[in-house]
Amino acid sequence: AQSVTQLGSHVSVSEGALVLLRCNYSSSVPPYLFWYVQYPNQGLQLLLKYTTGATLVKGINGFEAEFKKSETSFHLTKPSAHMSDAAEYFCAVSARGGADGLTFGKGTHLIIQP
Amino acid sequence: ETGVTQTPRHLVMGMTNKKSLKCEQHLGHNAMYWYKQSAKKPLELMFVYNFKEQTENNSVPSRFSPECPNSSHLFLHLHTLQPEDSALYLCASSQELAGGTYNEQFFGPGTRLTVL
Repeated sequence: AQSVTQLGSHVSVSEGALVLLRCNYSSSVPPYLFWYVQYPNQGLQLLLKYTTGATLVKGINGFEAEFKKSETSFHLTKPSAHMSDAAEYFCAVSARGGADGLTFGKGTHLIIQP
Repeated sequence: ETGVTQTPRHLVMGMTNKKSLKCEQHLGHNAMYWYKQSAKKPLELMFVYNFKEQTENNSVPSRFSPECPNSSHLFLHLHTLQPEDSALYLCASSQELAGGTYNEQFFGPGTRLTVL
């Protein structure tokens, strides 16, 4: 069984500041990990994913995440926030890259202050 | 059309109505999924279809009935729903890779369902 915990339902940062969204997972098998973003009235868009290999993965829009097995974490970061980053962010885990469906966290609403 | 499309985008129905949600993927994938996104809960997986065969039913009530006639189309038939079924219903697709793993899931824009 798998589960995902996202710390903080709302995160507020100033424009230009570091963005850090936290995700911890639980998985009985080596996990596949994903970050998705959802803008209002839209579906989910993949930001980045970890399958195997390099633990630091880079995604779209300047986001990156680091897989830390010892900490069971997959935190999402961006060095400098932009107003367009305001959205809902979801961390997800799966056992086979999604064949059996994804298990999502509750989401973190990112607010960007001007 | 590109990616994953869903129709209708919005649906309002009474508890005694029967309606269907449609999903179509234009990516050549062989797996499709239904998720439910409601205000107070995380995204919930409802159904999984691999190569048109249902491989997972996540304890979904029988008032939701999926249908996958081919690998490009997925339906969710609705009947005698309850107000608590009001939610955003998202469809997704993915492709099996070598070794039995799958690439990431691509999501449609969702159908916003309101049950009165």
